[in-house]
Amino acid sequence: DIQMTQSPSTLSASVGDRVTITCRASQSISNWLAWYQQKPGKAPELLIYKASSLESGAPSRFSGSGSGTEFTLTISSLQPDDFATYYCQQYNSYPYTFGQGTKLEIK
Amino acid sequence: EVQLLESGGGLVQPGGSLRLSCAVSGFTFSMYAMSWVRQAPGKGLEWVSSISGSGGSTYYADSVKGRCTISRDNSKNTLFLQMISLRTEDTAVYYCARDSGSYGTFYFDYWGQGSLVTVSS
Repeated sequence: DIQMTQSPSTLSASVGDRVTITCRASQSISNWLAWYQQKPGKAPELLIYKASSLESGAPSRFSGSGSGTEFTLTISSLQPDDFATYYCQQYNSYPYTFGQGTKLEIK
Repeated sequence: EVQLLESGGGLVQPGGSLRLSCAVSGFTFSMYAMSWVRQAPGKGLEWVSSISGSGGSTYYADSVKGRCTISRDNSKNTLFLQMISLRTEDTAVYYCARDSGSYGTFYFDYWGQGSLVTVSS
């Protein structure tokens, strides 16, 4: 199975900050990576697919990059609505696997 | 508008069984693979199972293989997850999710609101 490791697990930041979350795969997954945002008590929502493609309706302050084994999700200027937990997911092969999540907190 | 609505969750004793359903609308159901993803209380996301658009191919996580069966009724736009021999560690919110294509490997572009399954005596 492909292991996905996110860092950091928790990130404290302020409105307006630029933040980056990293996701590493235990083997190459090309660019078959998605990012999701989840708020407490809600279902996850797709932000980024194919490592860098922005999902329709997702704010343009979100961007993704990377290929192979290392990927990043960047939020260019944090907004109050962005404080949530973020997950990466590989869909290169079954079993699909998720990172453990990064909780973005208000500093 | 794409909608996914899970039902069938609840409290079940260890060793018991449960069938989850996910009724969908707003898209041509048979053209998309579908999946179940679960989230234990306070934990991260765990993929459980997927099924191709035709229903001819199914995939399972090792943690549920042999205890869960995914199926779909394309005439009724409904996805199912039959779970047997339930364990306390199966306690989670179960989400149904639409895969972004019909056959192959995909990300999840739409999610239901989730159905809570609690396995406890």
